[in-house]
Amino acid sequence: QKEVEQNSGPLSVPEGAIASLNCTYSDRGSQSFFWYRQYSGKSPELIMSIYSNGDKEDGRFTAQLNKASQYVSLLIRDSQPSDSATYLCAVNMDSNYQLIWGAGTKLIIKP
Amino acid sequence: EAGVAQSPRYKIIEKRQSVAFWCNPISGHATLYWYQQILGQGPKLLIQFQNNGVVDDSQLPKDRFSAERLKGVDSTLKIQPAKLEDSAVYLCASSFPGREQFFGPGTRLTVL
Repeated sequence: QKEVEQNSGPLSVPEGAIASLNCTYSDRGSQSFFWYRQYSGKSPELIMSIYSNGDKEDGRFTAQLNKASQYVSLLIRDSQPSDSATYLCAVNMDSNYQLIWGAGTKLIIKP
Repeated sequence: EAGVAQSPRYKIIEKRQSVAFWCNPISGHATLYWYQQILGQGPKLLIQFQNNGVVDDSQLPKDRFSAERLKGVDSTLKIQPAKLEDSAVYLCASSFPGREQFFGPGTRLTVL
């Protein structure tokens, strides 16, 4: 069964620190990986996509992919209270471009 | 560029009633998805369209749910009759094939 696993949290991080969110997936052949942010009562918002091994940086966000370990992570530098949300990891595991979703990690940034 | 539009935003119905949700995807996006999201869980795919054809509806409860995407643009998701366990947020997303999915604001359904 195709699965994406995330720690549900909550993960509590002090303001200004680095928040590290992790995700593992079951299908070694997966090709596309996405991080979405979801504020309470809102719909998911895409913040990062990554397709190849290594790091991809966008502003305060860095996505890291390790296909050998079947592991993708999201780092948020200089965390702000506005980063408090649930972060969803999604992985494309088949040719139909469907995403398998994790249950999300709730992140709390404490002022 | 306009985002994915959905309506209504909120709907409250009694069990055994019917309800319909509408979605207008981002212009040019051939792929459209309907998801169900229950509080504390990730989105669950109900149905995926490519243009006006169904790619996957394996998780759609076909005895009560139906969806269509006429002319390959707008889509409608219907529930008839609704059950208490259908209370959830219904999300529509669209994308170019194989690319990032973008979500609409969702419809929060409460079944009493």
